[in-house]
Amino acid sequence: GNSVTQMEGPVTLSEEAFLTINCTYTATGYPSLFWYVQYPGEGLQLLLKATKADDKGSNKGFEATYRKETTSFHLEKGSVQVSDSAVYFCALKNPGAGSYQLTFGKGTKLSVIP
Amino acid sequence: ETGVTQSPTHLIKTRGQQVTLRCSSQSGHNTVSWYQQALGQGPQFIFQYYREEENGRGNFPPRFSGLQFPNYSSELNVNALELDDSALYLCASSFLGGQGALYGYTFGSGTRLTVV
Repeated sequence: GNSVTQMEGPVTLSEEAFLTINCTYTATGYPSLFWYVQYPGEGLQLLLKATKADDKGSNKGFEATYRKETTSFHLEKGSVQVSDSAVYFCALKNPGAGSYQLTFGKGTKLSVIP
Repeated sequence: ETGVTQSPTHLIKTRGQQVTLRCSSQSGHNTVSWYQQALGQGPQFIFQYYREEENGRGNFPPRFSGLQFPNYSSELNVNALELDDSALYLCASSFLGGQGALYGYTFGSGTRLTVV
């Protein structure tokens, strides 16, 4: 079955530091890959996505590249801000009709200190 | 356009009781999915509804059931509550188009259920 593995948190960084959150997956075929962000007390917001190998998703300074050869989708940001403090979830979805569910990792909590 | 709204935001129930959670989907969406997010975990897919019928289900027992209404809103019902049912329940709406493609997955803020 499908699974997503994220690096364990929490991660604490100083403002303007470089961020990497590792994500690897197991899936049949070629899934679509996602990063979601959850701010305290809120639901999930889509941060970025990629639907095929070598695609790069980007949004708000965050980037992730779909690496089929390493089954990875690591999240990166060059300079984090205090407002980036949140829990980040990597997720996948199998393509095609009849495949509706998102499979999530356990999440990585990021805290950015001034 | 309105987003996905869920009610109530918080709820406390006693073990063995039944609970109903509600979700209004985003305008233009025709499917609703429900997820359970235990503390410190990622969301787990419960089921999805399309055209008022369940058309996908995760690994949850039958005491988790749902409804979808003609206006595409939805309810999640959980019978015989157990302590482990304590979690954040998230609803997501989307548009299921031709050939089964799913567009615009949008999550609500969730209902925090505590079973005591």
